[in-house]
Amino acid sequence: QQQVKQSPQSLIVQKGGISIINCAYENTAFDYFPWYQQFPGKGPALLIAIRPDVSEKKEGRFTISFNKSAKQFSLHIMDSQPGDSATYFCAASGRRTSGSRLTFGEGTQLTVNP
Amino acid sequence: ETGVTQTPRHLVMGMTNKKSLKCEQHLGHNAMYWYKQSAKKPLELMFVYNFKEQTENNSVPSRFSPECPNSSHLFLHLHTLQPEDSALYLCASSQVGERANYNEQFFGPGTRLTVL
Repeated sequence: QQQVKQSPQSLIVQKGGISIINCAYENTAFDYFPWYQQFPGKGPALLIAIRPDVSEKKEGRFTISFNKSAKQFSLHIMDSQPGDSATYFCAASGRRTSGSRLTFGEGTQLTVNP
Repeated sequence: ETGVTQTPRHLVMGMTNKKSLKCEQHLGHNAMYWYKQSAKKPLELMFVYNFKEQTENNSVPSRFSPECPNSSHLFLHLHTLQPEDSALYLCASSQVGERANYNEQFFGPGTRLTVL
């Protein structure tokens, strides 16, 4: 019930293309869904996050699409750039309480070719 | 310094050594976390500290011993580790409680640990 399943494991996209990474969750108590971006040698950094009261959130070239009934959410990177090459993690957590945990997906290694 | 800092960035130790990892957050948060990141695995939550009190120990072996002397500092004491403990150890912090904007966690750069 605590798992978050992420796919694909790796993704190669041409510059200017659209990168799409998908995640699915089981726990209906989850109400916060962030995406983290991690470059080699760095810790993960929050990229964008969504709550289930909206179906889409867009920040620049990054968009989260959320399907509550299917318990799925996805990250879309429009006009992908070589600088977007990194590992992306989706995550989910329940109501904000003391020390509430984030459950992470397995990660997707994105490579954007020039 | 800003954000979350971790020292050392790299550590090589033998199985009989004792070492400590240090984390410091400069964000005024009240919760801190230790994660283990191994290749091709999800981030594994190890420990959670909220207001300096340990609120979660995710079945971590006793050879890992956390310490949180105040809300800004977090240590991970290591002793008699195994080669399979080699990984990137990440520290994170967040603000939790009624006034918090969900559990937005901020990560440090990690300590790359190699156990020989």
